[in-house]
Formats: sequence, C-alpha cells, structure tokens
Amino acid sequence: RKEVEQDPGPFNVPEGATVAFNCTYSNSASQSFFWYRQDCRKEPKLLMSVYSSGNEDGRFTAQLNRASQYISLLIRDSKLSDSATYLCVVNGRDDMRFGAGTRLTVKP
Amino acid sequence: EAQVTQNPRYLITVTGKKLTVTCSQNMNHEYMSWYRQDPGLGLRQIYYSMNVEVTDKGDVPEGYKVSRKEKRNFPLILESPSPNQTSLYFCASSLSGDGGGNQPQHFGDGTRLSIL
Repeated sequence: RKEVEQDPGPFNVPEGATVAFNCTYSNSASQSFFWYRQDCRKEPKLLMSVYSSGNEDGRFTAQLNRASQYISLLIRDSKLSDSATYLCVVNGRDDMRFGAGTRLTVKP
Repeated sequence: EAQVTQNPRYLITVTGKKLTVTCSQNMNHEYMSWYRQDPGLGLRQIYYSMNVEVTDKGDVPEGYKVSRKEKRNFPLILESPSPNQTSLYFCASSLSGDGGGNQPQHFGDGTRLSIL
C-alpha cells in the first residue's frame, strides 16, 4: 500500500462546478499536511496548508480527518485557471511524502 | 527574490558520463531535498539534508550522491548515469532544520534529464 494515495483522476468539470479531492495516508504519526498545485512540466507550488480544524482560502477549503487518516480539498466555483494537478503532501518528522496527484481539467 | 535555482534546466547526455545538477537557495533554509518525478509515480525523494554536512537517503538514493558543504547549495551528482535515471528532477528547500516536517517546501523550476 502506498503511503499517500490519491485518486489520479482526471476530473473534468465545467466552469463554476464544485469539485472535491481526497487523499489518504498510512502513517498515523504524520505531523503536517499540505496541498500543492502543479501545472504541466512546472514545479509544485504550495496551495495551502491543512489544519486540524479545517481551513479556507477563498474558493478553496481543506479538511483533515486524523482518525480516518485522510485530507480533502474542496474547490468551489471552479475557474479555467484551476486546471492543474493537485498533490497531497504528508509530512513526518524528517520527510515529506507526496501523493501521485489528481489531475483536474476545468472546461468552459 | 526568494528562490530555489537549479541548473541546468535541460540536459541530454549518454550513459556513464558523470554529471552534476546544481541547486542553490537564497532563503537561508536549513532543509534541502532532491526529488525525481516520473509518470504515475509522483514525486519520490532521492536525498535530503537537514543542515550543512548532514545528508540522508530518501526513498530512491541508488545511483545518486549529494553533498552539503554550504547552507545554500545542495548539488545532485550522478557518477555513472543510466537510462533509468531519465526523469524530471526537483530540488526543494524549507526553513526548518529540525526535520523539516512541519514546513512547506519551496521548489526549483526542475531539471529534465535524458540519459541515452
């Protein structure tokens, strides 16, 4: 079993749609959690951290469920510019584990 | 501008010819790391360094070497490259030196290596 698992997608949604991604992790001792966005052939860029109480940044909402060991990302009112691959990242003490990414395409 | 700089961005070379990919950060970060990214496998950590003169193996260290003589630089060395090392490589850094675990990482632009 992979340490961090994501549905690879692709998710194809129309503009304005709400879309949610989940990510599960296997290490219960994981300390911190992030969502990154990666455009094609570019470097990953931090989208948002994920806090235990859940957090929101504009149209993006991140949730953490430690008991079930998953994190989620919700995107509301999707824009064409949201098209990218979204990487779930789970940190232990010394390392950072990446999911393989979920590909999102937002269409007009 | 705060950044992580990798060079070269692209390289095509032949099996067995030693190469070095440089990585430099100007943010005074303690933690630095190298990843490779392959289709369907996501990002896999090659080596990481929690501070100067401290390096550790990641998940896929075979065929690679690193060094951390200065805080800002973390070169990746392929002593005898092979075709299975053809990949997209990213260097990253983060502030924390006590494990880096709670800090997000900043990535370089990537280096696309092709080993023929």
